[in-house]
Order: sequence, then C-alpha cells, then structure tokens
Amino acid sequence: DARVTQTPRHKVTEMGQEVTMRCQPILGHNTVFWYRQTMMQGLELLAYFRNRAPLDDSGMPKDRFSAEMPDATLATLKIQPSEPRDSAVYFCASGLRRGSGNTIYFGEGSWLTVV
Amino acid sequence: AQKVTQAQTEISVVEKEDVTLDCVYETRDTTYYLFWYKQPPSGELVFLIRRNSFDEQNEISGRYSWNFQKSTSSFNFTITASQVVDSAVYFCALSLISNFGNEKLTFGTGTRLTIIP
Repeated sequence: DARVTQTPRHKVTEMGQEVTMRCQPILGHNTVFWYRQTMMQGLELLAYFRNRAPLDDSGMPKDRFSAEMPDATLATLKIQPSEPRDSAVYFCASGLRRGSGNTIYFGEGSWLTVV
Repeated sequence: AQKVTQAQTEISVVEKEDVTLDCVYETRDTTYYLFWYKQPPSGELVFLIRRNSFDEQNEISGRYSWNFQKSTSSFNFTITASQVVDSAVYFCALSLISNFGNEKLTFGTGTRLTIIP
C-alpha cells in the first residue's frame, strides 16, 4: 500500500536547536510538497518540488527554513534555529504527473513543539 | 490567484442525519482539480476525492456524494446517514494542473463536523 512516509512523527525541541524533518514520497511521484498547519493560519504551503527542483518556496521563512530533495526518494525540511512560533504540524505530500492520476497524497505529519 | 472558501466553520448533526459541507472556489484557470480531504482527530489528512474541472458529473461513493457545479463554482460534499466516525475536519482544496504535473493545493479553512450519537 503506497504511502508518503514522514519522520519524526513527534518532536519536542528547545528554542535555538536545529530540526530536520524527512519525507519519503510515493515511488514514482514527481511532485513533492511541504505544508504547515497551525490553528491561526490553517494549511499553508511552504515549498514544493518537481523532479527534485524547487518550484516555489515563497511561503518559507528563508532566514531559518530550508528544503531540499537530495534524491527522488527523500525530501527534507530543516529549521535552524527553531523558534516557539515554529510549533505546528508539518505535512509532506506527493503527486503524480498529469495523465497518471493527479491525486495528491499526504503523509501523517510531523508534530513539532518548540519550547 | 486561487481561493477556496468553506463558509461553515463548524457543523453538528445527530447521528443518521444527512449533512452537506459547502465549498466555493475562485480561479481564472480553466484546467484544475478539486479535492476533499478528511482530517480525523488523529491528525492525518486523508484523501477522499479528486474532480477534474472538465468533468461535472456528480459522484457517489457509499454514503458520500459530491456535487460539482461550475456555474456556481461550487463543489459540495454530502454525507448521508452520518455516523460518529464521520466526525472530523473536512478540507476542500484546489490545484491547477500544468503539463508537468500537480501544482500546489490551495486549501479552504476547513469545516469541523461533529456527529452527535
């Protein structure tokens, strides 16, 4: 059963620490998304990639956030240094090419708490 | 820019009642997909349906049905004979489609549905 896999599922860290979240997209999917969910902002796009190239990262605070795809099976989202306002659920999602389904599937999320 | 509006913030119904969740969208593009996702209390986002902008046929899947009307830019979701397990937050979303694949999803703010036993 194909699914998007995210690690860690839960993370509590102290302010100032580096946080790295990882995502394994569904095999064969060429588009990978990072979303953040908070009570105040809802679901907001941070960045997304196609064929590992970044397409749009305008939703991401550039001074502390970075997103990469080292290879087709791994996407990473890094926060350095982390701040309490980064506390949120971070979702990774992946999608297929046009003509092959176009459904976007989400991982279970990484629940981040920065204290 | 795209926009998705879910005007109903919270809905509560008694079990076995039917309930409709509203979704209105805005886009200038002619090629797009509309989605519904369910977020149960456990927190994951579960895909429910995808609808192509060229296909206005309504769809039924068990107790779930979707009514897509381009004339009113709406994509409403109805649950028939609701059950307690249907309690969740439901999100409507829109994605443009390019020749290369999915573009980003624009989400509505979600509707929290509570089914009262």
